[in-house]
Amino acid sequence: EAGVVQSPRYKIIEKKQPVAFWCNPISGHNTLYWYLQNLGQGPELLIRYENEEAVDDSQLPKDRFSAERLKGVDSTLKIQPAELGDSAVYLCASSLVVGGLTDTQYFGPGTRLTVL
Amino acid sequence: KNQVEQSPQSLIILEGKNCTLQCNYTVSPFSNLRWYKQDTGRGPVSLTIMTFSENTKSNGRYTATLDADTKQSSLHITASQLSDSASYICVVSGGYGGATNKLIFGTGTLLAVQP
Repeated sequence: EAGVVQSPRYKIIEKKQPVAFWCNPISGHNTLYWYLQNLGQGPELLIRYENEEAVDDSQLPKDRFSAERLKGVDSTLKIQPAELGDSAVYLCASSLVVGGLTDTQYFGPGTRLTVL
Repeated sequence: KNQVEQSPQSLIILEGKNCTLQCNYTVSPFSNLRWYKQDTGRGPVSLTIMTFSENTKSNGRYTATLDADTKQSSLHITASQLSDSASYICVVSGGYGGATNKLIFGTGTLLAVQP
């Protein structure tokens, strides 16, 4: 069974340019997470979806970041315009939430973004 | 403030040796604690998960302990292998209960196993 798929794996852009990341979660997982991970740090949650609903986007910088999960399956995270400080690894994770209990999160390989 | 602190920040050991990584947390209310292994350039992979009532959990050469009274956890690696070189992240779930649990991530311990 395929794990969490993310693309692209690497992206280099100039500041002020837009960028988008794509994530396909494990089949059957209803909850999807986007994290930001800086070098030497733990992941920081950006947004969590339960099916197609964003249930926690309190840490998402909404002036430049946006995300969508239109059909409750795959998801896109967008940054427009990108800033130098956005250089980081963007991780996607998915889990199966049943009866109010959260199962283990499975992480994708991440997208390493470099903003020049 | 809900926090997870890990020590040491980095560690170098020789292949075959044992090591112990520490995690202290101040998350309340507490739901569960997980240890993840993150290889360079990869996403984190779950090693163990422990709830309040569990004080030890093993996964091969990895053994995690939990002391819910002192809010401390440790990850013990036995007979280390070169492939154990990775970042080990302690993650505590809690704060809100149920599916809305927040996951609070530690900054990780970077382990390097040398031949």
